Amino acid sequence: GENVEQHPSTLSVQEGDSAVIKCTYSDSASNYFPWYKQELGKGPQLIIDIRSNVGEKKDQRIAVTLNKTAKHFSLHITETQPEDSAVYFCAASSSGGGADGLTFGKGTHLIIQP
Amino acid sequence: DGGITQSPKYLFRKEGQNVTLSCEQNLNHDAMYWYRQDPGQGLRLIYYSQIVNDFQKGDIAEGYSVSREKKESFPLTVTSAQKNPTAFYLCASTIIGGSGNQPQHFGDGTRLSIL
Repeated sequence: GENVEQHPSTLSVQEGDSAVIKCTYSDSASNYFPWYKQELGKGPQLIIDIRSNVGEKKDQRIAVTLNKTAKHFSLHITETQPEDSAVYFCAASSSGGGADGLTFGKGTHLIIQP
Repeated sequence: DGGITQSPKYLFRKEGQNVTLSCEQNLNHDAMYWYRQDPGQGLRLIYYSQIVNDFQKGDIAEGYSVSREKKESFPLTVTSAQKNPTAFYLCASTIIGGSGNQPQHFGDGTRLSIL
Protein backbone atom coordinates (compact mmCIF):
# COMPACT_ATOMS: atom_id res chain seq x y z
CA GLY A 1 0.00 0.00 0.00
CA GLU A 2 0.86 3.68 -0.06
CA ASN A 3 3.29 5.15 2.47
CA VAL A 4 3.65 8.91 3.02
CA GLU A 5 6.61 10.40 4.88
CA GLN A 6 6.43 14.02 6.10
CA HIS A 7 9.24 16.32 7.33
CA PRO A 8 9.94 18.12 9.55
CA SER A 9 7.75 17.07 12.49
CA THR A 10 8.12 20.55 14.03
CA LEU A 11 8.96 23.81 12.26
CA SER A 12 9.45 27.17 13.97
CA VAL A 13 9.75 30.31 11.83
CA GLN A 14 9.71 34.05 12.47
CA GLU A 15 6.55 35.89 11.54
CA GLY A 16 6.87 37.15 7.98
CA ASP A 17 9.33 34.43 6.93
CA SER A 18 8.51 31.47 4.67
CA ALA A 19 7.80 27.91 5.75
CA VAL A 20 8.33 24.76 3.68
CA ILE A 21 6.99 21.29 4.54
CA LYS A 22 8.02 18.27 2.47
CA CYS A 23 6.39 14.90 1.81
CA THR A 24 7.40 11.81 -0.12
CA TYR A 25 5.14 8.99 -1.28
CA SER A 26 5.82 5.42 -2.33
CA ASP A 27 3.03 4.44 -4.76
CA SER A 28 3.70 5.70 -8.29
CA ALA A 29 -0.04 5.27 -9.02
CA SER A 30 -0.92 8.08 -6.58
CA ASN A 31 -2.37 11.02 -8.47
CA TYR A 32 -3.98 13.29 -5.90
CA PHE A 33 -2.18 15.18 -3.12
CA PRO A 34 -4.14 17.37 -0.65
CA TRP A 35 -2.81 19.42 2.25
CA TYR A 36 -4.81 19.91 5.43
CA LYS A 37 -4.48 22.33 8.36
CA GLN A 38 -5.65 21.15 11.77
CA GLU A 39 -6.17 23.40 14.78
CA LEU A 40 -6.38 22.04 18.31
CA GLY A 41 -9.55 20.06 18.95
CA LYS A 42 -10.81 20.52 15.39
CA GLY A 43 -11.04 18.42 12.26
CA PRO A 44 -8.56 18.96 9.41
CA GLN A 45 -9.41 21.66 6.88
CA LEU A 46 -8.32 21.44 3.26
CA ILE A 47 -6.02 24.34 2.35
CA ILE A 48 -4.80 23.33 -1.11
CA ASP A 49 -4.56 20.24 -3.30
CA ILE A 50 -2.79 19.22 -6.49
CA ARG A 51 -3.35 16.54 -9.07
CA SER A 52 -0.59 14.69 -10.89
CA ASN A 53 -1.19 16.44 -14.21
CA VAL A 54 0.24 19.72 -12.87
CA GLY A 55 3.56 20.58 -11.25
CA GLU A 56 2.61 23.60 -9.19
CA LYS A 57 -0.47 25.32 -7.78
CA LYS A 58 -0.73 28.59 -5.90
CA ASP A 59 -3.44 30.22 -3.81
CA GLN A 60 -2.42 33.59 -2.36
CA ARG A 61 0.32 32.89 0.25
CA ILE A 62 0.14 29.12 -0.17
CA ALA A 63 1.69 27.04 -2.94
CA VAL A 64 2.22 23.34 -3.55
CA THR A 65 4.79 21.78 -5.87
CA LEU A 66 4.84 18.20 -7.14
CA ASN A 67 7.75 16.20 -8.55
CA LYS A 68 6.30 12.94 -9.88
CA THR A 69 9.67 11.54 -10.90
CA ALA A 70 11.09 11.90 -7.41
CA LYS A 71 7.71 11.16 -5.79
CA HIS A 72 7.71 14.16 -3.54
CA PHE A 73 5.55 17.21 -3.02
CA SER A 74 5.95 20.30 -0.86
CA LEU A 75 3.85 23.00 0.79
CA HIS A 76 5.17 26.55 0.75
CA ILE A 77 3.70 29.29 2.96
CA THR A 78 5.04 32.81 2.41
CA GLU A 79 4.75 35.87 4.65
CA THR A 80 3.73 33.72 7.60
CA GLN A 81 1.28 35.11 10.15
CA PRO A 82 0.41 34.04 13.72
CA GLU A 83 -2.83 32.43 12.51
CA ASP A 84 -0.76 30.05 10.37
CA SER A 85 0.31 28.25 13.57
CA ALA A 86 -1.28 24.77 13.44
CA VAL A 87 -0.54 21.16 12.49
CA TYR A 88 -0.29 20.54 8.75
CA PHE A 89 -0.84 17.15 7.10
CA CYS A 90 -0.02 16.00 3.61
CA ALA A 91 -1.88 13.07 2.05
CA ALA A 92 -1.90 10.98 -1.11
CA SER A 93 -4.43 8.92 -3.02
CA SER A 94 -4.54 6.86 -6.19
CA SER A 95 -8.22 7.71 -6.70
CA GLY A 96 -8.98 11.21 -7.99
CA GLY A 97 -10.27 12.97 -4.89
CA GLY A 98 -9.42 10.27 -2.46
CA ALA A 99 -12.56 8.25 -3.15
CA ASP A 100 -10.89 5.11 -1.78
CA GLY A 101 -9.50 6.98 1.21
CA LEU A 102 -6.39 9.05 1.83
CA THR A 103 -3.00 8.02 3.21
CA PHE A 104 -1.67 10.74 5.51
CA GLY A 105 1.76 11.83 6.65
CA LYS A 106 2.32 12.16 10.41
CA GLY A 107 2.00 15.92 10.43
CA THR A 108 4.13 19.03 10.94
CA HIS A 109 3.58 21.34 13.90
CA LEU A 110 4.19 24.83 12.49
CA ILE A 111 4.98 27.49 15.08
CA ILE A 112 5.06 31.15 14.03
CA GLN A 113 7.26 33.19 16.38
CA PRO A 114 6.18 36.84 16.81
CA ASP B 1 -25.28 25.60 7.11
CA GLY B 2 -24.11 22.53 5.21
CA GLY B 3 -21.52 20.39 6.89
CA ILE B 4 -20.50 17.24 8.71
CA THR B 5 -21.70 16.78 12.28
CA GLN B 6 -20.04 14.35 14.63
CA SER B 7 -21.47 13.51 18.03
CA PRO B 8 -20.76 13.34 20.84
CA LYS B 9 -17.64 15.51 21.06
CA TYR B 10 -16.35 13.47 24.03
CA LEU B 11 -17.18 9.84 24.82
CA PHE B 12 -16.10 7.50 27.57
CA ARG B 13 -16.15 3.72 27.32
CA LYS B 14 -15.98 1.11 30.01
CA GLU B 15 -14.02 -2.08 29.53
CA GLY B 16 -15.99 -4.64 27.49
CA GLN B 17 -18.51 -2.09 26.26
CA ASN B 18 -19.44 -1.27 22.66
CA VAL B 19 -19.92 2.41 21.80
CA THR B 20 -21.28 4.07 18.66
CA LEU B 21 -20.04 7.35 17.21
CA SER B 22 -22.40 9.35 15.06
CA CYS B 23 -21.58 11.07 11.76
CA GLU B 24 -24.20 12.96 9.76
CA GLN B 25 -23.71 15.09 6.63
CA ASN B 26 -26.14 17.36 4.79
CA LEU B 27 -23.84 18.01 1.84
CA ASN B 28 -25.43 15.30 -0.33
CA HIS B 29 -22.00 13.67 -0.57
CA ASP B 30 -21.76 10.14 -1.94
CA ALA B 31 -18.85 8.76 0.04
CA MET B 32 -18.15 8.81 3.76
CA TYR B 33 -15.07 7.82 5.74
CA TRP B 34 -13.86 7.12 9.28
CA TYR B 35 -10.30 7.88 10.36
CA ARG B 36 -8.51 7.39 13.64
CA GLN B 37 -5.94 9.92 14.89
CA ASP B 38 -3.48 9.17 17.70
CA PRO B 39 -1.25 11.83 19.35
CA GLY B 40 1.60 12.84 17.06
CA GLN B 41 0.31 10.60 14.30
CA GLY B 42 -1.38 11.10 11.02
CA LEU B 43 -4.88 9.90 10.27
CA ARG B 44 -5.43 6.22 9.54
CA LEU B 45 -8.41 4.91 7.56
CA ILE B 46 -10.80 2.59 9.42
CA TYR B 47 -13.74 2.12 7.03
CA TYR B 48 -15.28 3.88 4.07
CA SER B 49 -18.48 3.74 2.07
CA GLN B 50 -19.03 5.00 -1.46
CA ILE B 51 -22.71 4.08 -1.69
CA VAL B 52 -25.62 3.22 0.59
CA ASN B 53 -25.61 -0.35 1.94
CA ASP B 54 -22.00 -0.91 0.91
CA PHE B 55 -18.70 -0.29 2.72
CA GLN B 56 -15.05 -1.36 2.62
CA LYS B 57 -12.39 -1.97 5.22
CA GLY B 58 -9.55 0.48 5.51
CA ASP B 59 -6.10 -0.11 6.96
CA ILE B 60 -7.16 -0.63 10.60
CA ALA B 61 -10.71 -2.08 10.52
CA GLU B 62 -10.22 -4.74 13.21
CA GLY B 63 -12.38 -4.07 16.28
CA TYR B 64 -14.67 -1.65 14.44
CA SER B 65 -17.95 -1.97 12.54
CA VAL B 66 -20.02 0.42 10.42
CA SER B 67 -23.34 0.67 8.62
CA ARG B 68 -24.61 2.88 5.79
CA GLU B 69 -28.40 2.63 5.75
CA LYS B 70 -28.86 6.25 4.67
CA LYS B 71 -26.78 8.45 2.39
CA GLU B 72 -26.36 11.12 5.06
CA SER B 73 -25.39 8.86 7.95
CA PHE B 74 -22.34 6.64 8.62
CA PRO B 75 -22.15 5.52 12.29
CA LEU B 76 -19.03 3.82 13.64
CA THR B 77 -19.20 1.21 16.41
CA VAL B 78 -16.09 0.65 18.49
CA THR B 79 -16.45 -2.90 19.78
CA SER B 80 -14.97 -4.55 22.86
CA ALA B 81 -12.59 -6.35 20.47
CA GLN B 82 -10.73 -3.06 19.91
CA LYS B 83 -8.11 -3.27 22.64
CA ASN B 84 -6.75 0.24 22.35
CA PRO B 85 -9.73 2.44 21.46
CA THR B 86 -8.54 5.70 23.06
CA ALA B 87 -8.12 8.12 20.13
CA PHE B 88 -9.59 11.04 18.23
CA TYR B 89 -12.07 9.79 15.59
CA LEU B 90 -12.72 11.82 12.46
CA CYS B 91 -15.47 11.43 9.89
CA ALA B 92 -15.14 12.78 6.34
CA SER B 93 -17.21 12.86 3.17
CA THR B 94 -16.82 13.67 -0.50
CA ILE B 95 -18.59 13.72 -3.86
CA ILE B 96 -17.61 11.01 -6.33
CA GLY B 97 -17.60 11.32 -10.11
CA GLY B 98 -18.74 14.15 -12.32
CA SER B 99 -16.02 16.39 -13.73
CA GLY B 100 -13.51 15.15 -11.19
CA ASN B 101 -13.60 13.79 -7.70
CA GLN B 102 -13.85 16.41 -5.00
CA PRO B 103 -11.68 16.61 -1.88
CA GLN B 104 -12.67 15.08 1.42
CA HIS B 105 -14.17 17.38 4.02
CA PHE B 106 -13.96 16.57 7.73
CA GLY B 107 -16.11 16.90 10.82
CA ASP B 108 -14.70 18.17 14.13
CA GLY B 109 -14.19 14.73 15.62
CA THR B 110 -15.12 12.64 18.65
CA ARG B 111 -12.57 12.04 21.39
CA LEU B 112 -13.01 8.55 22.89
CA SER B 113 -11.45 7.65 26.23
CA ILE B 114 -11.45 4.50 28.34
CA LEU B 115 -12.66 4.65 31.95
